[in-house]
Amino acid sequence: DTAVSQTPKYLVTQMGNDKSIKCEQNLGHDTMYWYKQDSKKFLKIMFSYNNKELIINETVPNRFSPKSPDKAHLNLHINSLELGDSAVYFCASSPGLELEQYFGPGTRLTVT
Amino acid sequence: KQEVTQIPAALSVPEGENLVLNCSFTDSAIYNLQWFRQDPGKGLTSLLLIQSSQREQTSGRLNASLDKSSGRSTLYIAASQPGDSATYLCAVRPRAGNNRKLIWGLGTSLAVNP
Repeated sequence: DTAVSQTPKYLVTQMGNDKSIKCEQNLGHDTMYWYKQDSKKFLKIMFSYNNKELIINETVPNRFSPKSPDKAHLNLHINSLELGDSAVYFCASSPGLELEQYFGPGTRLTVT
Repeated sequence: KQEVTQIPAALSVPEGENLVLNCSFTDSAIYNLQWFRQDPGKGLTSLLLIQSSQREQTSGRLNASLDKSSGRSTLYIAASQPGDSATYLCAVRPRAGNNRKLIWGLGTSLAVNP
């Protein structure tokens, strides 16, 4: 059984398009996260939701908008995609804010 | 400002060797430290989590130690196998700050050769 799943696994799109990445966890966790891993392999947190409420919102362009319809889902919508958005995006979850995090397989986004 | 450094950036060893991966952090006021493994094209897998009050954690052939005073953690892998080849990431959760989010190292890329 997949604990944290993301769709799609690969996403290739052109500049200016709008796209969404979906994340679901079946672990019953209260907290979910979105991370961005750039070409240098540096992991940077973007957002964190706890019980569907936004807890962490790093310095991320307004083009990125997370949405948590329920505790098991945290989707990431990106408007007006730019070349610099190309990266691998990871979703993660944890039982609580400061507890062990479990990661999804990642979504490789390529903007052309 | 907390910074996490992992040395070496890459390591290649023959199968069967015992090896040590290093993680250092600049601020000893941490809540916990977590070691992850990342396989190519896949997500991160949590290996071990050490609370600030603990000195070490063990799981199978893996042993992670924590020395807060010196700002260091080591991940010891016994009897390495080709299947251990991956990137190993260290992440520190500060004791204070913006929701105490994880601060990540860049990882050590390990290759275990048959």
